[in-house]
Amino acid sequence: DTEVTQTPKHLVMGMTNKKSLKCEQHMGHRAMYWYKQKAKKPPELMFVYSYEKLSINESVPSRFSPECPNSSLLNLHLHALQPEDSALYLCASSPTSYNEQFFGPGTRLTVL
Amino acid sequence: GESVGLHLPTLSVQEGDNSIINCAYSNSASDYFIWYKQESGKGPQFIIDIRSNMDKRQGQRVTVLLNKTVKHLSLQIAATQPGDSAVYFCAENGDDGGATNKLIFGTGTLLAVQP
Repeated sequence: DTEVTQTPKHLVMGMTNKKSLKCEQHMGHRAMYWYKQKAKKPPELMFVYSYEKLSINESVPSRFSPECPNSSLLNLHLHALQPEDSALYLCASSPTSYNEQFFGPGTRLTVL
Repeated sequence: GESVGLHLPTLSVQEGDNSIINCAYSNSASDYFIWYKQESGKGPQFIIDIRSNMDKRQGQRVTVLLNKTVKHLSLQIAATQPGDSAVYFCAENGDDGGATNKLIFGTGTLLAVQP
């Protein structure tokens, strides 16, 4: 398996909902990342996990809560989001924290 | 502050021509650079990378050139095909003082290939 998968592909949620995004890779990569991408903009880093420990939080609001249950899985828990949080959420992984990053297809999130 | 920018937001080329996408970076401490291709509705796809101890690297139909003197990066695509139409991002690893690969992306260039 040589890809990063993300579920769901699309998600519509209200501002009071709680939802989770899931990312999975079976390439043995030890670093995993969450990015947010708005339309016609580059990806912006949110979180980095290295060896299942959170190593970077780019001052992301607490309504976004990452979780790395094991070396293959990365979750992003969402609660009380705002409409401006609507974006494409991308997950990426890399062999270690100093290699090329491979991206998943993203989850298109719409907050109503 | 640190930034990675592109000279041309949109590049239109004829099928079969060569394409050159440029990128300027400002952090002289960056030592790793990547080019990504992103098609509509998809995640970024790794194309090619280069480390600062090199000035040129070639892949299949693509070449990346790094000029550290003027902090410039370019991606050359030979014999451009309609399937090459996408947004291209350069990215640098910046310098966060640690070992973590924190990529900083440029603003992107839309490559439009005309048949």
